[in-house]
Amino acid sequence: EIVLTQSPGTLSLSPGERATLSCRASQSVSRNYLAWYQHKPGQAPRLLIYGASNRATGIPDRFSGSGSGTDFILTISRLEPEDFALYYCQQYGSSPRTFGQGTKVEIK
Amino acid sequence: QVQLQESGPGLVKPSETLSLTCSVSGGSISSYYWSWIRQSPGKGLEWIGCIYYTGTTNYNPSLQSRVTISVDTSKTHFSLKLTSVTAADTAVYYCAGGPGINWYFDLWGRGTLVTVSS
Repeated sequence: EIVLTQSPGTLSLSPGERATLSCRASQSVSRNYLAWYQHKPGQAPRLLIYGASNRATGIPDRFSGSGSGTDFILTISRLEPEDFALYYCQQYGSSPRTFGQGTKVEIK
Repeated sequence: QVQLQESGPGLVKPSETLSLTCSVSGGSISSYYWSWIRQSPGKGLEWIGCIYYTGTTNYNPSLQSRVTISVDTSKTHFSLKLTSVTAADTAVYYCAGGPGINWYFDLWGRGTLVTVSS
């Protein structure tokens, strides 16, 4: 199975700053089938990005995804207070679907 | 909009069977592929398995021997059974939905904590 490694584990930033989250795969992700999710405690995870760079319905354009092959990036251009949360990547190019261990974006 | 709600016992004894149900409201159960996903304490998310309303299933090989996922289309819910549980099965269990049998998940429940302990 494909192992996804996210970095950094924790990102300490201030509102208004830019966040760059990395997701590296142990092998190439077929057709760049890579998704990103936001997860806040006690809430359902929310799909942000699919297909590496496609924003899901209703996701603000400050969220963007990029990358291909084994290296993928989630960028939050200007952090809003509600963006401080956990973020996970997930590949669905091969079975079983696998997730990264997550990056926590916290308020500095 | 479609909403998912997990339900089931929060405590299961070792060697017994964990059983959870996910209720689907606000939409048709035939519109998505339905999955169970879990997150053990201090660990990442793990996809358990998936089912379509036709009954077609796909399981994670790591759990396949112990997992059964079923769907009840008349009652708009789907279920998870995990047999012979151990402490390693203690986790928050999520139900989720996506547009394909091996796809991303654009619907999630809030999750339910299941603890395996005597």
